[in-house]
Amino acid sequence: DADVTQTPRNRITKTGKRIMLECSQTKGHDRMYWYRQDPGLGLRLIYYSFDVKDINKGEISDGYSVSRQAQAKFSLSLESAIPNQTALYFCATSRANTEAFFGQGTRLTVV
Amino acid sequence: DAKTTQPTSMDCAEGRAANLPCNHSTISGNEYVYWYRQIHSQGPQYIIHGLKNNETNEMASLIITEDRKSSTLILPHATLRDTAVYYCIVRGGWGSSNTGKLIFGQGTTLQVKP
Repeated sequence: DADVTQTPRNRITKTGKRIMLECSQTKGHDRMYWYRQDPGLGLRLIYYSFDVKDINKGEISDGYSVSRQAQAKFSLSLESAIPNQTALYFCATSRANTEAFFGQGTRLTVV
Repeated sequence: DAKTTQPTSMDCAEGRAANLPCNHSTISGNEYVYWYRQIHSQGPQYIIHGLKNNETNEMASLIITEDRKSSTLILPHATLRDTAVYYCIVRGGWGSSNTGKLIFGQGTTLQVKP
C-alpha cells in the first residue's frame, strides 16, 4: 500500500461544480501539502499544514480551500470549479525539515 | 525565500555521469539544498539533500560549493530510467521564513540517451 494515497486518481467535472480531492497518509507525518502542476511547468504550492490546527496559504490559494480532518488526512476543495483549474494535483507529507513524500497525483479536468 | 536557477535541459549518454548544476546565490545559512526528480507525471521523488558538506547516498552525490551559492547533483552512472525532470530546491531550517515549505522551480529535464 502507498504511504501517501490520493483519491480520486482521475476526475472529470463540469464548470461550477464543487469537488473535493482527498489525501491520506500512513507515515505519521505532521506536515501535509497540496500542489498543482500544469503541463510543462513545475509544481506550485496551494496550501500547506504543519499540524491539524495550522493551515497556511501557499503561492496560489485563490479558488481553493482545504480541511485537515486529522493528522493523516488533508482534503483540497474547489468550491466552484473552472476550466483553468484543470491540472495535475499532488499531495505530499513530511516531518519538520525532512524529505517530503508525494502521492501519485490526481488528474483533474474541468469542462 | 532563496531562489534557484537550473538549466532548462541537459543530455547525458547512458553509463556516463550526469552532472546537474544549480545556482542558489541568495541561500541563507540555515537553508538546505534538496533535490527531487519527477519521472513523467508521477509524484516527485526525493533524491538527496545537504547543508554545507558534500553528501552521497545510493542514488546520487551532492556537491555544495564552499560559499554555498551553488551545488551539483551527480548521478554516477546514468541509465535510461534516470530520464526525468530534476528539481533543485532551497528549504529553510529552523527559524527560517520558509521552514518546511518546498517551493519548486522549473527544474532541469535530463534526457539519458543510449
